[in-house]
Amino acid sequence: RKEVEQDPGPFNVPEGATVAFNCTYSNSASQSFFWYRQDCRKEPKLLMSVYSSGNEDGRFTAQLNRASQYISLLIRDSKLSDSATYLCVVNPRGGSYIPTFGRGTSLIVHP
Amino acid sequence: GAGVSQSPSNKVTEKGKDVELRCDPISGHTALYWYRQSLGQGLEFLIYFQGNSAPDKSGLPSDRFSAERTGGSVSTLTIQRTQQEDSAVYLCASSLGTGRETQYFGPGTRLLVL
Repeated sequence: RKEVEQDPGPFNVPEGATVAFNCTYSNSASQSFFWYRQDCRKEPKLLMSVYSSGNEDGRFTAQLNRASQYISLLIRDSKLSDSATYLCVVNPRGGSYIPTFGRGTSLIVHP
Repeated sequence: GAGVSQSPSNKVTEKGKDVELRCDPISGHTALYWYRQSLGQGLEFLIYFQGNSAPDKSGLPSDRFSAERTGGSVSTLTIQRTQQEDSAVYLCASSLGTGRETQYFGPGTRLLVL
């Protein structure tokens, strides 16, 4: 099993739709979690951290399920500008400080 | 404030030549990472620097790759005797401390080996 797995997509949705991505991780001792966004030919940028209690930032909601070892990202009222690749990032606990990036989920929002 | 900067933004070189890629992290960030991303692929970890500690080189794909970080700030990634499979975007990121915090990425260096 890969350390961090994401459905590569693409998820092709109309404007205004609600879309959700999941990301599973294998290291149960993982300590912190993030969603990054990467636009075509650009660097990844932090979208939001993921907290145990779940957190929301405008149209974006992130949740963590430690028991099932996955995190999720929900995007409501999708905009054309949301089209990008969404990367799941998992940081381990303990001696390793190397975060693990998922390969990303591609989202295409069309008119 | 200033973000992470990288230079050059693009580099075209011939197979067998050496290249040096530079990263200037955010001031005050003690952790610095190098990654590589091939077209359509995920991020591949290369090397990690934390303060004055010995770097974690576990991701370097071969001994042709090396990196240093001078004065706990600027870092240089060197690829010797470049091969065509080295063609990729090389991304540098920095973070405040242990690496469990948010990483801030530079715009990357696009390397093309002919």
